[in-house]
Amino acid sequence: GENVEQHPSTLSVQEGDSAVIKCTYSDSASNYFPWYKQELGKRPQLIIDIRSNVGEKKDQRIAVTLNKTAKHFSLHITETQPEDSAVYFCAAEDSGGGADGLTFGKGTHLIIQP
Amino acid sequence: DGGITQSPKYLFRKEGQNVTLSCEQNLNHDAMYWYRQDPGQGLRLIYYSQIVNDFQKGDIAEGYSVSREKKESFPLTVTSAQKNPTAFYLCASSGVVGQPQHFGDGTRLSIL
Repeated sequence: GENVEQHPSTLSVQEGDSAVIKCTYSDSASNYFPWYKQELGKRPQLIIDIRSNVGEKKDQRIAVTLNKTAKHFSLHITETQPEDSAVYFCAAEDSGGGADGLTFGKGTHLIIQP
Repeated sequence: DGGITQSPKYLFRKEGQNVTLSCEQNLNHDAMYWYRQDPGQGLRLIYYSQIVNDFQKGDIAEGYSVSREKKESFPLTVTSAQKNPTAFYLCASSGVVGQPQHFGDGTRLSIL
């Protein structure tokens, strides 16, 4: 089955700086890679996703990059703000014939220092 | 996401008791999922269903059971065979498998 590793487990950055969270996956058949943000005690919310036919996707201050060869994808948040503080999860899925749901990383606790 | 409703928000289980967590969606989604979240851990897939009357085991299905008799509903039963049921349970749905998943607010299960 798929295995997703996520680093770092905790990331503290100064407000206004950039944050980068990295994930690797093991199954070369995975082709869908979403990122979720979860605030304490609340539901995970999808913030951005990318499919294997593109290498980068951007939405305002958030961007995701994908390197299929290295089986590596990253979340980039620029100009961080206090409301960016949360736990972020990466995930991977084979959405084709072998589809069997998302496999999540263990999460990164992002702390934005004022 | 207002389209996915989980109930109850908090649930307590006694030893040897089965409990059922409710998940209802009005998004007309074919696929539904149950995840378990433990402190400091990611989400782990318990069961998923791609279509009515069909479901598959996820990574940690032992001690759990599900049914999918209606498109809108995917209840999860935590059986007495699940020896460590204390966790945050999240239900999700997507149009089909491989499309973005949207989550309910979760049910927090504890042992009395």
